[in-house]
Amino acid sequence: DQQVKQNSPSLSVQEGRISILNCDYTNSMFDYFLWYKKYPAEGPTFLISISSIKDKNEDGRFTVFLNKSAKHLSLHIVPSQPGDSAVYFCAASAGGSQGNLIFGKGTKLSVKP
Amino acid sequence: NAGVMQNPRHLVRRRGQEARLRCSPMKGHSHVYWYRQLPEEGLKFMVYLQKENIIDESGMPKERFSAEFPKEGPSILRIQQVVRGDSAAYFCASSPEAEQFFGPGTRLTVL
Repeated sequence: DQQVKQNSPSLSVQEGRISILNCDYTNSMFDYFLWYKKYPAEGPTFLISISSIKDKNEDGRFTVFLNKSAKHLSLHIVPSQPGDSAVYFCAASAGGSQGNLIFGKGTKLSVKP
Repeated sequence: NAGVMQNPRHLVRRRGQEARLRCSPMKGHSHVYWYRQLPEEGLKFMVYLQKENIIDESGMPKERFSAEFPKEGPSILRIQQVVRGDSAAYFCASSPEAEQFFGPGTRLTVL
């Protein structure tokens, strides 16, 4: 029973264009959502988060959108850079910012020069 | 401020041996989480600890696995009598109050 789903295992975009990574969830008790970026042989690096009371959060080139009615969130990266190439994990918590995280399986983003 | 430290980075054990994985949280962080990642999978929550207390161990296998976060020293994830299915990357995360910051992980290989 996968509560957090990232249906695209991979995504390829051109440098300078927008990258859109999608995530769906099934548990309506989730109230806090995060995106992490992971390089091989390293731990996940926190990118951006959003509370369920908001529908958008922006930090530099990264914006997360939350659609609670659709149980869907997305991460927009613009403009995309080759250094953004990594695996991106969506995660959700039902305990606010301190709860344990439920992760999706990840989407591998490749940004081509 | 050093990040979350995990050691060893790589650990090889034979079936039946014990594995001890250590995690030193970031300075000032009192919350520690352990996650496991199998190949081609996302991270799976195992246990959440605060100093000397287990807060949530709902993701921990009932047998052979234990975790502690003593008043002094690192958090320890202990796996007794390892089996091949325990081979995975084990990540520790710490947080002060909000976002979790992850260590580099320990890659456990059981022969």
